[in-house]
Amino acid sequence: SAVISQKPSRDICQRGTSLTIQCQVDSQVTMMFWYRQQPGQSLTLIATANQGSEATYESGFVIDKFPISRPNLTFSTLTVSNMSPEDSSIYLCSVRGQGASGANVLTFGAGSRLTVL
Amino acid sequence: QKEVEQDPGPLSVPEGAIVSLNCTYSNSAFQYFMWYRQYSRKGPELLMYTYSSGNKEDGRFTAQVDKSSKYISLFIRDSQPSDSATYLCAMRARQGGSEKLVFGKGTKLTVNP
Repeated sequence: SAVISQKPSRDICQRGTSLTIQCQVDSQVTMMFWYRQQPGQSLTLIATANQGSEATYESGFVIDKFPISRPNLTFSTLTVSNMSPEDSSIYLCSVRGQGASGANVLTFGAGSRLTVL
Repeated sequence: QKEVEQDPGPLSVPEGAIVSLNCTYSNSAFQYFMWYRQYSRKGPELLMYTYSSGNKEDGRFTAQVDKSSKYISLFIRDSQPSDSATYLCAMRARQGGSEKLVFGKGTKLTVNP
């Protein structure tokens, strides 16, 4: 399965600032996924990033708040804009691939833990 | 009603115990069921994958799906301290395409030596 590297692994930010999270995959993939994992909540899909086209956002998430770049088939960034304490969360990058059973499964990066003061 | 319900725990057991983790769901179209394990400060990793109903065994782990009851389980035999993690159930109706996985909230498990 793919190996995913995320940076930063954690950060503490001030309210009103923005932070960009980077995701690097060791193989070319068509789609990359950005998830949010808030304490006590389900893993929630923010958006799907396709190379060469606009990201597709899930209900409740908008491009102005979470702009995404996808410049090539191995890299993507997620920016959390104008942050508030409610944005404190773990942000995870993910790709889909063939598991050992042949099934279509997700592989995740280690996540970026963001704390907004 | 949430699509997927999972008791968040926490669950604490002694080493060697049999652990049972469960999820219920409401969407009868779900056919693909997964269990992910997430260690502290790590991303989720796929542990078990099953399609439709039935059992699947992999070492000390057994995944069960009961579609008639909309209920899935993960059993861990002879639990070890290294099994201490958060376990997330996930499911979807179809393979591939744009359909997303729906996750439970996760159950935090601690296995005490």
